[in-house]
Amino acid sequence: QEQLVESGGGVVQSGGSLRLSCATSGFTFTTHGFQWVRQAPGKGLEWVASIRHDGNNQWYAESLRGRFTISRDKSTQTLYLDMSSLKTEDTGIYYCAKKPPAGPTDYWGQGTLVSVSS
Amino acid sequence: QPVLTQSSSASASLGSSVKLTCTLDSEHINYIVAWHQQQPGKAPRYLVKVEGNGLYKRGSGIPDRFSGSRSGADRYLIISNLQSEDEADYYCESWESYAVFGGGTKLTVL
Repeated sequence: QEQLVESGGGVVQSGGSLRLSCATSGFTFTTHGFQWVRQAPGKGLEWVASIRHDGNNQWYAESLRGRFTISRDKSTQTLYLDMSSLKTEDTGIYYCAKKPPAGPTDYWGQGTLVSVSS
Repeated sequence: QPVLTQSSSASASLGSSVKLTCTLDSEHINYIVAWHQQQPGKAPRYLVKVEGNGLYKRGSGIPDRFSGSRSGADRYLIISNLQSEDEADYYCESWESYAVFGGGTKLTVL
């Protein structure tokens, strides 16, 4: 059974940092790409960052201006999102999602809430 | 990267059918589109993908009440025999190097 379990969210002051983790199981980690997608309160889904199945390429939303870093550890089958210089507009639920190389997002985690206070 | 446009809202009666639309921009009209459902307070769930040729494939465990189709740049999610639990937000997705999402359609079941 596929599982994506996010953790690491919480309340942080503006300018602070957080590391989100996504523990995966139930499928072959090294054959799937992953992405982080966030959702501000009452808003739609916003793609944040993606990493290829082999970890050799990463992509980021332009609005993040280098503040976020996506990475993966195949030894622990875990996806990460390092967030720094956080702003109040980064507040929202952050979802980890699995994406095969030639297909759409096919599985979502339950999300972790990030709240950035001023 | 493709650009996806969705209507903000739709409504249909319990037991009826509804067709939600996701429109690709003119440069990407043959791209695959996926549909995701987000029930209130829950994480999104992958429903179905619609290929450029109009063929569709449901995700694992998705009821056959959910199907897809295509007309030109439009990709449709068709939900038949509407149930109360179908009241949700529906997002379409496409991709090149990374995923792009439409703005979402809020479906109300009357």
